[in-house]
Amino acid sequence: DGGITQSPKYLFRKEGQNVTLSCEQNLNHDAMYWYRQDPGQGLRLIYYSQIVNDFQKGDIAEGYSVSREKKESFPLTVTSAQKNPTAFYLCASRIGSNQPQHFGDGTRLSIL
Amino acid sequence: RKEVEQDPGPFNVPEGATVAFNCTYSNSASQSFFWYRQDCRKEPKLLMSVYSSGNEDGRFTAQLNRASQYISLLIRDSKLSDSATYLCAVNGNDYKLSFGAGTTVTVRA
Repeated sequence: DGGITQSPKYLFRKEGQNVTLSCEQNLNHDAMYWYRQDPGQGLRLIYYSQIVNDFQKGDIAEGYSVSREKKESFPLTVTSAQKNPTAFYLCASRIGSNQPQHFGDGTRLSIL
Repeated sequence: RKEVEQDPGPFNVPEGATVAFNCTYSNSASQSFFWYRQDCRKEPKLLMSVYSSGNEDGRFTAQLNRASQYISLLIRDSKLSDSATYLCAVNGNDYKLSFGAGTTVTVRA
């Protein structure tokens, strides 16, 4: 099936630990995105990538890092510098600039 | 001013009723517009794109008003299964989509 796969579904982070959230797509989409959603809030853009080996900061990039070494993959690392990481993290992709984004089913990150 | 704003609701309507709500956007150069549906603790799913001439998909009708810079979503003959949060998304002239915070709709029996 074509789609966007995020893993894990649930993740727990200890103090001072970096954790990496996986996002893989087999839709052959060029652009990929990471969002954070807090309870009762909208989506806030963390990072996005339009092509392989290139990415841009979104509105809340501090404490996060990404890479885009392959078209299919856009992992997000939540670093220890992100002091309030508890949130629902959503990865999305889309084929072109005027097309809708399609989302993976998300990763819930909590602090231990 | 936020790029995209929505009335958070909640809109609490009986089954069979019609409910409508708007989403305003600030960037007059916005090119494309979408409505998403998000169920509790789930990812947003594309409901429909919004075209300049307005478009309909079953019980759902979307409209675009460029002059006043808003899009609207109307749901006719509401079903219990329509209960969700509806997010609007607006594209500027780059690869980013700006999302509203969502309008919550609750359909009661």
